[in-house]
Amino acid sequence: DAGVTQSPTHLIKTRGQQVTLRCSPISGHKSVSWYQQVLGQGPQFIFQYYEKEERGRGNFPDRFSARQFPNYSSELNVNALLLGDSALYLCASSLGTGLSPLHFGNGTRLTVT
Amino acid sequence: AQKVTQAQTEISVVEKEDVTLDCVYETRDTTYYLFWYKQPPSGELVFLIRRNSFDEQNEISGRYSWNFQKSTSSFNFTITASQVVDSAVYFCALRNRNTGTASKLTFGTGTRLQVTL
Repeated sequence: DAGVTQSPTHLIKTRGQQVTLRCSPISGHKSVSWYQQVLGQGPQFIFQYYEKEERGRGNFPDRFSARQFPNYSSELNVNALLLGDSALYLCASSLGTGLSPLHFGNGTRLTVT
Repeated sequence: AQKVTQAQTEISVVEKEDVTLDCVYETRDTTYYLFWYKQPPSGELVFLIRRNSFDEQNEISGRYSWNFQKSTSSFNFTITASQVVDSAVYFCALRNRNTGTASKLTFGTGTRLQVTL
């Protein structure tokens, strides 16, 4: 079975631009979460979506938004990019029930110049 | 507030040595869950283990073992007879029962393990 897939793998943007990152969960998984991992740090929770509804949001500004589609894939949007948004963005999927473990993708490396 | 501290930034060992990665956590909840993840150079986080706060039984899985001690708020991870393939960044993470979302984990800053021949 395919794991969590994210696209693109790398991205370079300029300050002020907008970016959209995509994630396809493992088949059968209904929950998708997004994490930001700045170089040298642990991942930080941004969003969780379950059954197309936002179920949790981390301490990130409104420039960050996300959505989940009927096929459970998800997009993360970041507007008005700042240099500090440069990071590895990780998507994780899970069954969404109880404490089903998170399965992470390889991430999208975003560089803002 | 909850916090996970991994004081060891980087550890280097020679293959076949045993190595222990330390994790100390802070939480006010009485029910919580602890995790270890491995992040190889490819970037993805690989789930290794989950431990519930009410289950202090230590666990061994092959070359891996975990020591959970509530009295010291620690959840340490030991690799026995390390191999080069163990080289990665290892993260300890915490989730409180009352977080509201099952996917919100608080991660430590990670420990980079380098195993050489």
